[in-house]
Amino acid sequence: ETGVTQSPTHLIKTRGQQVTLRCSSQSGHNTVSWYQQALGQGPQFIFQYYREEENGRGNFPPRFSGLQFPNYSSELNVNALELDDSALYLCASSSGLAGATRTDTQYFGPGTRLTVL
Amino acid sequence: QQQVKQSPQSLIVQKGGISIINCAYENTAFDYFPWYQQFPGKGPALLIAIRPDVSEKKEGRFTISFNKSAKQFSLHIMDSQPGDSATYFCAASPHDYKLSFGAGTTVTVRA
Repeated sequence: ETGVTQSPTHLIKTRGQQVTLRCSSQSGHNTVSWYQQALGQGPQFIFQYYREEENGRGNFPPRFSGLQFPNYSSELNVNALELDDSALYLCASSSGLAGATRTDTQYFGPGTRLTVL
Repeated sequence: QQQVKQSPQSLIVQKGGISIINCAYENTAFDYFPWYQQFPGKGPALLIAIRPDVSEKKEGRFTISFNKSAKQFSLHIMDSQPGDSATYFCAASPHDYKLSFGAGTTVTVRA
């Protein structure tokens, strides 16, 4: 069973640019959630995808968008980068929200460290 | 608005001692309360989790105590070891697992 993987590990961008971060879910997981973790703080929920559909969103502006693919991997896109977007971006996968496949456990990837200059 | 409040911000404990971290919440829709451990440069790893139908859950040296009426829960790390030095986050979510995290507690275990 492979774990959650994220790419790239580190990324440096300048203000106004756009960035795409990628996440591969743990095998068999169909739900992916993205979180932003600023330095010294707890992760903040950005949005969640369940079976390729957005399933809820936190308090983040529309320039944060995402996708989930048929193989349940996912992307986080951020447009018009701002200095405050500098953070560790985490994805977490789990095996479902309801029914027999529901699990309490979300598995986090190692994160992508984004620096905006 | 922080939905889960965590304290203390940091603590130092001697090897073999007990570390206690406290969290409080307001949202009564929360029904899942996990604790995560995070080492520098790594993603959070689930330690232990509890649902509000039980008041205590123990796994090895880690115990969660849960007080539903007070809307508080805590993590106890017994027999603390230097390898336990990390940042610990409490979290809470309703049934859809959109986690709200506390601000974190940095635990340092002195040998």
